Amino acid sequence: ETGVTQTPRHLVMGMTNKKSLKCEQHLGHNAMYWYKQSAKKPLELMFVYSLEERVENNSVPSRFSPECPNSSHLFLHLHTLQPEDSALYLCASSQDDSLNEKLFFGSGTQLSVL
Amino acid sequence: GENVEQHPSTLSVQEGDSAVIKCTYSDSASNYFPWYKQELGKRPQLIIDIRSNVGEKKDQRIAVTLNKTAKHFSLHITETQPEDSAVYFCAASAYLRGGFKTIFGAGTRLFVKA
Repeated sequence: ETGVTQTPRHLVMGMTNKKSLKCEQHLGHNAMYWYKQSAKKPLELMFVYSLEERVENNSVPSRFSPECPNSSHLFLHLHTLQPEDSALYLCASSQDDSLNEKLFFGSGTQLSVL
Repeated sequence: GENVEQHPSTLSVQEGDSAVIKCTYSDSASNYFPWYKQELGKRPQLIIDIRSNVGEKKDQRIAVTLNKTAKHFSLHITETQPEDSAVYFCAASAYLRGGFKTIFGAGTRLFVKA
């Protein structure tokens, strides 16, 4: 167990639903990330948070809304998604230190948008 | 924008043979190059990494090389075993003000035939 926990593991939602993905890390890290993993595509960086402050937003549509209430928790709020948003959403954490770049990933949430 | 190209997308080798995966990156600010292994249904896990001030690094059967001038880096696996079968991702990372911007390649699916 890497210390990064994501819930739920699987989620099926309609295009008009609102849902949230949750990530929690127990590693004492202070940077957290959301990545999207689609079939046959690179892992796409969506958001970067450091010390609860968003430092990077990789041109992600506004139907994805991140929230980082503290350095241990990260949420991704979803609303009016499209079928092409179906993917595995991975959370990761790292130390906010230029010599500790290793990313620790959670198991991901497999999202299906109908 | 920044991107990482990875080749080949699929690689099939006989057990005991070597496997080589190559990547190129575009962001000159990248100074850290990790490689992740993702087994089916599992999270990506770091297997080896290299910093921009080093040209080569080895860890048992795995080695990485980096040519910063050409913006090329490669993963070499020797004496491959069936348990090496997985998807391998290269990545290029640059430090932001807190957190890292890590861009991944599209992945190489490695099959090791017994």
